[in-house]
Parts: sequence; C-alpha cells; structure tokens
Amino acid sequence: DQQVKQNSPSLSVQEGRISILNCDYTNSMFDYFLWYKKYPAEGPTFLISISSIKDKNEDGRFTVFLNKSAKHLSLHIVPSQPGDSAVYFCAASALMKTSYDKVIFGPGTSLSVIP
Amino acid sequence: KAGVTQTPRYLIKTRGQQVTLSCSPISGHRSVSWYQQTPGQGLQFLFEYFSETQRNKGNFPGRFSGRQFSNSRSEMNVSTLELGDSALYLCASSPGNSGGYNEQFFGPGTRLTVL
Repeated sequence: DQQVKQNSPSLSVQEGRISILNCDYTNSMFDYFLWYKKYPAEGPTFLISISSIKDKNEDGRFTVFLNKSAKHLSLHIVPSQPGDSAVYFCAASALMKTSYDKVIFGPGTSLSVIP
Repeated sequence: KAGVTQTPRYLIKTRGQQVTLSCSPISGHRSVSWYQQTPGQGLQFLFEYFSETQRNKGNFPGRFSGRQFSNSRSEMNVSTLELGDSALYLCASSPGNSGGYNEQFFGPGTRLTVL
C-alpha cells in the first residue's frame, strides 16, 4: 500500500512551457514534503521542500504547492529547460510527530523537456 | 567535502548467494539510510542507522540486514538472494539530528543483478 503516489510515470513538456508534476499521499501524519530529482547513474538530489504549515514554497523556477485537505502536492517548473529532464520523486515525512525523519518516497515521474 | 560513496557500483550474483554493499557517508554525518529502487516502485526504505544503532526499519524480510561502524560507514547485507532482489540500492547520509528535517545526501547507488 503506497503512502505516497505519483500517478503519472512520465511527462513530456516543450522547452519554455510549464511542467506540473503531481503527488498524492494517504497518511495524514505527514507534515513535511520534499521533491528530489534524479539523473541516470546518479543518486537523487534534494530539490525543494514544504512544511504543512505552508501551502506554497518557491525557489527560483521551482514552486511546490500543498493542498492538505486534498492530501495533494504539486511541483511546478517554469520555464522548463532541457536540463530539467530527469526522474522526480515526491517524498513525505512525519517530521513533527517522530523524533527522526523517516522519509517515504513515491514511485517517481520521468520528465522529458523537449527542445 | 567528499560526497557519499558506495562500493561496488555494479554487482552480478546468482540466486542463493549473499552480497554485502558498502556506504561511506559525508564526513560528520551520523545517519545512514538504505533504499531499494526498482522500476515502478520508487525508493523503498530499508533501514536507517544512527550512531551504530538501527533507528528505523522498513518492511523488508530478515534476509536484508545492515550495520554501522564507529566511523559511520555502513554495510548492507542480503542473504539467499532472489531474482526479485535485482535493483539499485541507494545509500543516503544526513547529520541525523532530531528536531528538524535533515537533508539526505544520496550516493550513486550499487546496481545489483541477480541471475
């Protein structure tokens, strides 16, 4: 039973347009959410995060939106660039409710940005 | 600062054998987590070690075990290998401090193929 779901295994977007990657979670205990990016032959790297006390966090071209009532978050990349082509993992943690941060990852969405 | 290193990078084993994977965390990091990545399943949490103690564990059978040494280096062992154990095994290190999110830094992974 996946607690973090990414229902789109892949996504193709034209360069310069917006990429929207979606993530749903089932565990209401989760209070901290993250996005990681992974290139082939490399480990995932942290991209952006959001705490449950916020509904939006922005870092340059990357914005994460959180809708707690729907248990849904999304990552927006604007404008999309070919170098953004990678697998994006959504992850969640019950940070405030545990003494340590066990992170649950989703299955990932492979983003292709077409020049 | 050197990143997380994992050895070996590639490994081929046959069913029934056992395997040991190694992870050297970033200097100063005391937490090491292990993940299994398979297509469609994303990153599945195996276990986390902090100061030589297993602090958290995922839902994997007892064939998967690990340990951490006093220098924070960690090893993961899989006994009686099965075909389904073929995956990318990722190690992540973090400071491991409680009270806030500790960003995880991933190694490049060990690609295990079981024949």
